[in-house]
Amino acid sequence: DSGVTQTPKHLITATGQRVTLRCSPRSGDLSVYWYQQSLDQGLQFLIQYYNGEERAKGNILERFSAQQFPDLHSELNLSSLELGDSALYFCASSVSSGRGNSPLHFGNGTRLTVT
Amino acid sequence: SQQGEEDPQALSIQEGENATMNCSYKTSINNLQWYRQNSGRGLVHLILIRSNEREKHSGRLRVTLDTSKKSSSLLITASRAADTASYFCATAWLDTGRRALTFGSGTRLQVQP
Repeated sequence: DSGVTQTPKHLITATGQRVTLRCSPRSGDLSVYWYQQSLDQGLQFLIQYYNGEERAKGNILERFSAQQFPDLHSELNLSSLELGDSALYFCASSVSSGRGNSPLHFGNGTRLTVT
Repeated sequence: SQQGEEDPQALSIQEGENATMNCSYKTSINNLQWYRQNSGRGLVHLILIRSNEREKHSGRLRVTLDTSKKSSSLLITASRAADTASYFCATAWLDTGRRALTFGSGTRLQVQP
């Protein structure tokens, strides 16, 4: 058990809709990362937060947004969903502020299916 | 874009054999990490090797890093059926504008019992 909790585990929704994915990091970790994994694109980094502030941004679409709250949990909001957004969305956490200096601890992901 | 690329894309071996996976990357790195992913599950960290290290061991795992060739290898000795998974290398770029780990496309390892 990595200590990272993601909810929900599965999400099925229709095109055009909006969903929110939630992540609770491992106790003591201040950084939260969001990754998208699809068959054709592999594991893509979306965004990182450290202690409530955005730290790094990857290939995140404008339709997607995230935030980290004072209790350090994070939410990833996906709007105007398209079929191509169907993927596994992972949250990971780490103790450090970035630069890959410490291991990432991954949750088991949220599988999003857009129909 | 992908920073690290694993080779081979897929590998099938018999239990007890050694498995070697390679990772190549493009730019200077701070460190390199290897992760394992069982089907449909989250990634699990295996080992981290820093840019000033050449080799690191952890149990049946041996990782090497050659910064001059921008490559790393992961060796799993005496493989077991439970080692069946996808293995990813991840790099942390020295470029301060890219702070998060970037993952390769992975090697799918199948260990036949």
